[in-house]
Amino acid sequence: DTAVSQTPKYLVTQMGNDKSIKCEQNLGHDTMYWYKQDSKKFLKIMFSYNNKELIINETVPNRFSPKSPDKAHLNLHINSLELGDSAVYFCASSQDPSWLSGELFFGEGSRLTVL
Amino acid sequence: QQQVKQSPQSLIVQKGGISIINCAYENTAFDYFPWYQQFPGKGPALLIAIRPDVSEKKEGRFTISFNKSAKQFSLHIMDSQPGDSATYFCAVRGNDMRFGAGTRLTVKP
Repeated sequence: DTAVSQTPKYLVTQMGNDKSIKCEQNLGHDTMYWYKQDSKKFLKIMFSYNNKELIINETVPNRFSPKSPDKAHLNLHINSLELGDSAVYFCASSQDPSWLSGELFFGEGSRLTVL
Repeated sequence: QQQVKQSPQSLIVQKGGISIINCAYENTAFDYFPWYQQFPGKGPALLIAIRPDVSEKKEGRFTISFNKSAKQFSLHIMDSQPGDSATYFCAVRGNDMRFGAGTRLTVKP
């Protein structure tokens, strides 16, 4: 049973297109995240959702929009894709951010390539 | 802005050697200091973590040393194995988890 699953694993698309990445967690966690990992492996937080409410929104272009239909799902929509959006996008979840363990559980990533 | 600085960027160690990766932070409000391990094609996974009220935590071959006054913490991998070859990230937790830039560790057989 995969704890945090995201689809698709690979996504190749043209500049200007709109795409979505889906994420689901079956851990019963309260908080879900999207991280972006660039070609140099740097992991940067993009969004954080707690119980379907946005609690962190880093300086991410508004072409990126997270959507959380329920506590177990957090999808990422990207409009008007640009070359610089090419990266691996990771979904993650945790218990309440203040939870003692603080552990993040990551999905396997979605590699987005914009041509 | 990067809230935690990690070094070195890459590290090559012989099998059986000790791997040491260092991180430094500025904000004293951080309350949790984990290390994550990432293999190619996979997401990062928690390896070991420490809280600021202890100076060392050991789990098998992996040890975190924490120096609160210097605002530094490090990961030591004893008896490094080829299977340890991966990218390692330190992180700090405030309102959310922020990661260091990563260290690519290669353990040569």
